Amino acid sequence: DAGVIQSPRHEVTEMGQEVTLRCKPISGHNSLFWYRQTMMRGLELLIYFNNNVPIDDSGMPEDRFSAKMPNASFSTLKIQPSEPRDSAVYFCASSQQRGGKDEQFFGPGTRLTVL
Amino acid sequence: KQEVTQIPAALSVPEGENLVLNCSFTDSAIYNLQWFRQDPGKGLTSLLLIQSSQREQTSGRLNASLDKSSGRSTLYIAASQPGDSATYLCAVDGGSQGNLIFGKGTKLSVKP
Repeated sequence: DAGVIQSPRHEVTEMGQEVTLRCKPISGHNSLFWYRQTMMRGLELLIYFNNNVPIDDSGMPEDRFSAKMPNASFSTLKIQPSEPRDSAVYFCASSQQRGGKDEQFFGPGTRLTVL
Repeated sequence: KQEVTQIPAALSVPEGENLVLNCSFTDSAIYNLQWFRQDPGKGLTSLLLIQSSQREQTSGRLNASLDKSSGRSTLYIAASQPGDSATYLCAVDGGSQGNLIFGKGTKLSVKP
């Protein structure tokens, strides 16, 4: 298995632009998570999906952030409009929930820089 | 609100030493606890997952223990090697279908 795939790996954009991050979870996994990592706050959960349905989006910082999972093999995280404080590494993770042994597997991340 | 703390924040040891990384959490009602490794500029690699009903898990030179009642977990690395140099992250799952709460990590450097 190729693991969790994220694209792009690096994104540099200017303030005000729309940014779309993409994730392909591990085949057969039924849960997908978006995290953000910064030096100041560490790793924080933004949103997660179970069977393509958003379960908890309380970690999404503002309405500028939105996430979708149109099918079991694809998810997007969109920021519109982007701001410099959104600069961070964004990770996608997936898991197969099975009663306590819900090991999460992470993608390589997208390093976002908003100028 | 669950909080996860990792001590120390950084650790430097000579090659060959056995070492212990510490993780503590404030709410003992956890579903499981997971240890990850993160190399600079890379994603997270899952090392060990301990379910709430378990006391420890082992993988090669790694052993992770869990004491729910005291809110603690330790990651033991035997015979450390320079290739073990990385940041080690502890995360607890509070049971909300996968909401992992992470510590800030311990940055380990193993000197040859």
